[in-house]
Amino acid sequence: AQSVSQHNHHVILSEAASLELGCNYSYGGTVNLFWYVQYPGQHLQLLLKYFSGDPLVKGIKGFEAEFIKSKFSFNLRKPSVQWSDTAEYFCAVKAGTALIFGKGTTLSVSS
Amino acid sequence: GAGVSQSPRYKVAKRGQDVALRCDPISGHVSLFWYQQALGQGPEFLTYFQNEAQLDKSGLPSDRFFAERPEGSVSTLKIQRTQQEDSAVYLCASSREILAGNSYEQYFGPGTRLTVT
Repeated sequence: AQSVSQHNHHVILSEAASLELGCNYSYGGTVNLFWYVQYPGQHLQLLLKYFSGDPLVKGIKGFEAEFIKSKFSFNLRKPSVQWSDTAEYFCAVKAGTALIFGKGTTLSVSS
Repeated sequence: GAGVSQSPRYKVAKRGQDVALRCDPISGHVSLFWYQQALGQGPEFLTYFQNEAQLDKSGLPSDRFFAERPEGSVSTLKIQRTQQEDSAVYLCASSREILAGNSYEQYFGPGTRLTVT
């Protein structure tokens, strides 16, 4: 069955620290991968997506993610986080009709 | 703003009541999706419309759940005889492309938080 696993439930960082959020997927078809972010009080919005080509994709606000097919992973990274990055982050894979989401990782950044 | 809107934002229902949740997608968006997000979980797919046609309803948890999009724009998710396990945030998303579109970016609404008491 298709699934997405996000290893970290809650991550706490200080400003300027580097970030890496893990995401592993299980899906047998053509892989389309996404990271969505939900800032406090706001709706889900797309951070970045991978469809094909360069496995290192860059998104908004300095985020990037690397698709590693052999590891079934699509980890999200940012070299230096800001307080405004405090949010919930969801990894998702397109499986047929739907997006299948992970359970999310809450990121708290202290200033 | 031309984003996806949903109403009501909050709904409290007594067990056994019927509820109707509305979604206004971005104008011109062909595809519309409903998701259910339980507390502490990621969104889970419920159903998909391409224009007015409901092409996939495999995620609807029971026959108490019913969705429609009669004119290919506004959509309503109806839950009959609500149960406590139906308590969740119901998200609507729309996309300008059909399912096979390369972009496939889904734009999400703010959700309706349903609490069944």
